[in-house]
Amino acid sequence: DIQMTQSPSSLSASVGDRVTITCQASQDISNYLNWYQQKPGKAPKLLIYDASNLETGVPSRFSGSGSGTDFTFTISSLQPEDIATYYCQQYDNLVTFGPGTKVDIK
Amino acid sequence: EVQLVESGGGLVQPGRSLRLSCTASGFTFGDYAMSWVRQAPGKGLEWVGFIRSKAYGGTTEYAASVKGRFTISRDDSKSIAYLQMNSLKTEDTAVYYCTKPIAAAPIFDYWGQGTLVTVSS
Repeated sequence: DIQMTQSPSSLSASVGDRVTITCQASQDISNYLNWYQQKPGKAPKLLIYDASNLETGVPSRFSGSGSGTDFTFTISSLQPEDIATYYCQQYDNLVTFGPGTKVDIK
Repeated sequence: EVQLVESGGGLVQPGRSLRLSCTASGFTFGDYAMSWVRQAPGKGLEWVGFIRSKAYGGTTEYAASVKGRFTISRDDSKSIAYLQMNSLKTEDTAVYYCTKPIAAAPIFDYWGQGTLVTVSS
């Protein structure tokens, strides 16, 4: 089984800050890595697929990069509506989600 | 507009069974695999399993935590995916989401609203 880790598990940042979350796979998953945003009481929303592709309609302040085992998710300028938990997900071998990173406003 | 509506959740005793349904609309259901993802209260997302489309054999895959207890099936004529859950455990308590992938790969671009399953005596 492929294990996914994320860091940090939570962070606080100010509006306008650049926020970076990392995701690491326990083995090479090429670029089979997606990022989701989940707000409290809501279903997750796809933001980035295949490591770096922005889903249609998602603001360009969100971006992703990486391949192999190490991936990065970035919010270039944090907005109040970005308060949420962010999950990475691999699909190289079945499906595994990372444990999530909770983002809030300082 | 794509819509996924889960139903069938509720309170069930440990060891008993429950069947969830996911009714889909707004896309050609038979062309897509369908997945189930769950989230225990206050916890992260856990993939449960998926069923491939008939074009890919209609076969299923499951997470180790549910393999042998849960079964996913589909009725393409009704655009419904099912999650049959047997031998339920307290740790199966979660919101269960039905998801649709973008294409053949499990990139989940649409999610249902979720249905809560509580396993408790």
